[in-house]
Amino acid sequence: NAGVMQNPRHLVRRRGQEARLRCSPMKGHSHVYWYRQLPEEGLKFMVYLQKENIIDESGMPKERFSAEFPKEGPSILRIQQVVRGDSAAYFCASSPRDSSYNSPLHFGNGTRLTVT
Amino acid sequence: GNSVTQMEGPVTLSEEAFLTINCTYTATGYPSLFWYVQYPGEGLQLLLKATKADDKGSNKGFEATYRKETTSFHLEKGSVQVSDSAVYFCALSSIIQGAQKLVFGQGTRLTINP
Repeated sequence: NAGVMQNPRHLVRRRGQEARLRCSPMKGHSHVYWYRQLPEEGLKFMVYLQKENIIDESGMPKERFSAEFPKEGPSILRIQQVVRGDSAAYFCASSPRDSSYNSPLHFGNGTRLTVT
Repeated sequence: GNSVTQMEGPVTLSEEAFLTINCTYTATGYPSLFWYVQYPGEGLQLLLKATKADDKGSNKGFEATYRKETTSFHLEKGSVQVSDSAVYFCALSSIIQGAQKLVFGQGTRLTINP
C-alpha cells in the first residue's frame, strides 16, 4: 500500500549539470502533478500530466525544465543546466483518474535539490 | 486569479494553548478548501478539508469552517501539543483546463514549547 514515491530524497548538483527527479504515483493513480517549494515559501504548481500526455505546463519555466509521464515507469522532472536558483524541494502528487476537484491530492516526501 | 493568504509566521505557543492560524482566499466559483501539514523533512499531508460554504472540516483536534461571506478558512485547535509543531498550509482547489490545481498559501511555521 505504498504512497507516492519520490527519489532521490536529496540531490546535489553542480551548476550546469542535469537533475532528474522521479515520481511513482500511488497504485491506481494516473494523474501526476509536480510542485516546487522554494525556501520559506508555499508550493507552486509546475505541471500536470496524465500517462503519455502533458495536460498543463503553465507553471513550468520556459527553458531548461521538462516533464514526462511515460506509459511504463515513473514520471520524470528534468532540469538541464541547473543554476543556484533551482535549489528547492520538488514535490510530486497524484490523484485517481476519476478524481473530482474536492478529492485531495496525495503528496510524496519530495526531492530536495541543492545546486552548488 | 485564485489566491490564498495566510497569517504570517512563525508562531510560537506553549503546550495546551489555543491556536488560530488565519487563512483568507480569493477565488472564482466555489473552490474546495484544505489545510495541509508538513512535518520536518516530509511531504504534505492532508489535515482537513471542506467542500462547500458552512462545512466544517475536522481532524486530530483541528477544525476549520468554510466561511463564504468572509472568504476565510481559519484553522483552530483548542489545546496544542508539542507534536503539532510543523508548517501548516492553507490551499484551495479548482479545476482549470481539466486539471485539479491546488493554490497554496505561503505556509505558517508553528512551534509548540513544552
